[in-house]
Order: sequence, then C-alpha cells, then structure tokens
Amino acid sequence: QSDLTQPASVSGSPGQSITISCTGTTSDIGAYNHVSWYQQHPGKAPKLIIYEVINRPSGVSDRFFGSKSGYTASLAISGLQAEDEADYYCSSYTTSTTWVFGGGTKLTVL
Amino acid sequence: QVQVVESGGGAVQPGGSLRLSCAASGFTFSSSAMHWVRQAPGKGLEWLAFISWDAKTIYYADSVKGRFTISRDNSKNTLYLQMNSLGVEETAVYYCAKDRPSSWCLEYWGQGTLVTVSS
Repeated sequence: QSDLTQPASVSGSPGQSITISCTGTTSDIGAYNHVSWYQQHPGKAPKLIIYEVINRPSGVSDRFFGSKSGYTASLAISGLQAEDEADYYCSSYTTSTTWVFGGGTKLTVL
Repeated sequence: QVQVVESGGGAVQPGGSLRLSCAASGFTFSSSAMHWVRQAPGKGLEWLAFISWDAKTIYYADSVKGRFTISRDNSKNTLYLQMNSLGVEETAVYYCAKDRPSSWCLEYWGQGTLVTVSS
C-alpha cells in the first residue's frame, strides 16, 4: 500500500488561510469516507484533528475544516495562528483492511 | 483522562527481537480497538497493526506481516507488539493509539517509545 500524496510544505501569514491536499487512489480515499487528519508538533505525539472527512473531535478549533472530492482530501486552516505551525498528516482506511498515511506537510506560519 | 503509555523500547541488534507494551488508563480498554504506528527519525508516520477489542480481528501492514505480532491483555489494560527479525531501517519511535469507534481513525496517541536497531 503506497503512501497518500501530500505537499512537503505550505506556508502562510498570520490571519491567512491555507489548504493542504492529500491524494490517494480508488482503494483508499476514493473508496470510503474514512479520512482523518493529524497535527504533530516537534517532539510531540500526533493529535487527531479531523475524522470521517469533515468531523472535528471535541476541543479542536473550528478553524480546521476537512473535505473530500473523488480520491483527494483536503484540510483547510483559516485565521492562521503561530500555534498552527506543525506537521500535518492525512490518513485513510483502505480496501486491504489497512490504514495508510500521507508523507506529511510542514506548515510554516510566516 | 485518556492515557496510553508505551514502554519496552531500547537498543537491539539487527535480526533481534523486542516486545513493546502500552499501558492504558482513563477509558474502557477492554471495549476499545487499538493500533501501533511508527515514525522513523525525521520521517512520516507508518501504520503497523490493528487489534479489535476482543482480539478476534487483527490486521498488519505488509511491511511487518509475519514478523510482528500485536496482542492484548484486557485484564491488565495492556497492549503489546512483539517484533522479530528487526532491520536497521526499523529504528523509529513506536506509538500506540486508541481507535475511535466507528470512525476508522486513531483517537488518542501515547508519547511513543524509541527503538534503535543497530550493530
């Protein structure tokens, strides 16, 4: 099972909005709505921020928004804040009964 | 609060074995599915294995199938990962994570335990 494809890096200024894409195949993102996103600060464990494409766990800011079209999922972050600077990973359940992650995107807040 | 704490990491020679443990608290472990994930230094996340609450459903990534074994002891609120025939490329931080019910995602993660495979 190949990794999902994410851009290596994105950047934005405080207050701006950015979007991170995550491209899969018909065997993962295209097959189910089981797409999730994780935020990881340096030296810390990943944190779930979006599940089932669009849902936010309790306590996650509504500045994070998930979506999907075909076999590409996206994470949008509005009103960028310094604390949003982190690595972001997408993930999907697959038709092979496994989970697959994207390679990760480093978000820099300028 | 929900907590999962990994242990058992350390240095091992290529071809060696290691067993990781993950102690769970703050939730009903015996009703929860669990995962193992690893992250090589400076690299991304790699999903490794899944086990259902009753251990009747187990899935592995192709990269570890036949060498790694996920198991659990619900009486001890503990998850395990037995790792055999380790290669140097498997040096990584190993995380356990609680599955979110009916959501196919990893809800809570531990801080990880470092496994170093080196001669």
